[in-house]
Amino acid sequence: DAKTTQPPSMDCAEGRAANLPCNHSTISGNEYVYWYRQIHSQGPQYIIHGLKNNETNEMASLIITEDRKSSTLILPHATLRDTAVYYCIVLALSGGYNKLIFGAGTRLAVHP
Amino acid sequence: GAGVSQSPSNKVTEKGKDVELRCDPISGHTALYWYRQSLGQGLEFLIYFQGNSAPDKSGLPSDRFSAERTGGSVSTLTIQRTQQEDSAVYLCASSFLPGPDTQYFGPGTRLTVL
Repeated sequence: DAKTTQPPSMDCAEGRAANLPCNHSTISGNEYVYWYRQIHSQGPQYIIHGLKNNETNEMASLIITEDRKSSTLILPHATLRDTAVYYCIVLALSGGYNKLIFGAGTRLAVHP
Repeated sequence: GAGVSQSPSNKVTEKGKDVELRCDPISGHTALYWYRQSLGQGLEFLIYFQGNSAPDKSGLPSDRFSAERTGGSVSTLTIQRTQQEDSAVYLCASSFLPGPDTQYFGPGTRLTVL
């Protein structure tokens, strides 16, 4: 699976959009981009994923560049509850099961 | 409905002792994963169970680690002769479908080996 690079930490004001970048320059054509987050003392939580097209759900939007070498997770109106570590991973889907392997992620602090 | 539960939430043990960590998956979920997360580190896969198939143990770091899943539901992760480097948060996840977006995680067990 392709390696990802994320900034170690970011700040965001409550109510503003949080834009979390991820570089995955060695991504292969069959690898998806997945985002998870982990709030303190909780297990990881799935947020969103995509292959080529931009995606949006009730939690966030995912913008993938045309060359697929980077992506941005957007939390449109960040709240204090969005303070967490955000993980970007890329993986090729297995028909059987998928092991999740996270790096260090980006620690997002949302402040009043 | 009820999510994945794990017990105990915290475990402090002495080096050399054995520990058992428990995971209760979401009812009906046939797949169960164990992961480990060391302080400030990412997620490390340990073992995977799917129905009655042989488990994928490829992530277990040593033969001191073992896991079983009885009756296709509850799972126990056992660490024998614990070492200080075993200190970590042990996370369990379950899923009904194979996709990574369908793994639901428990809150984890924080293991501290003194």
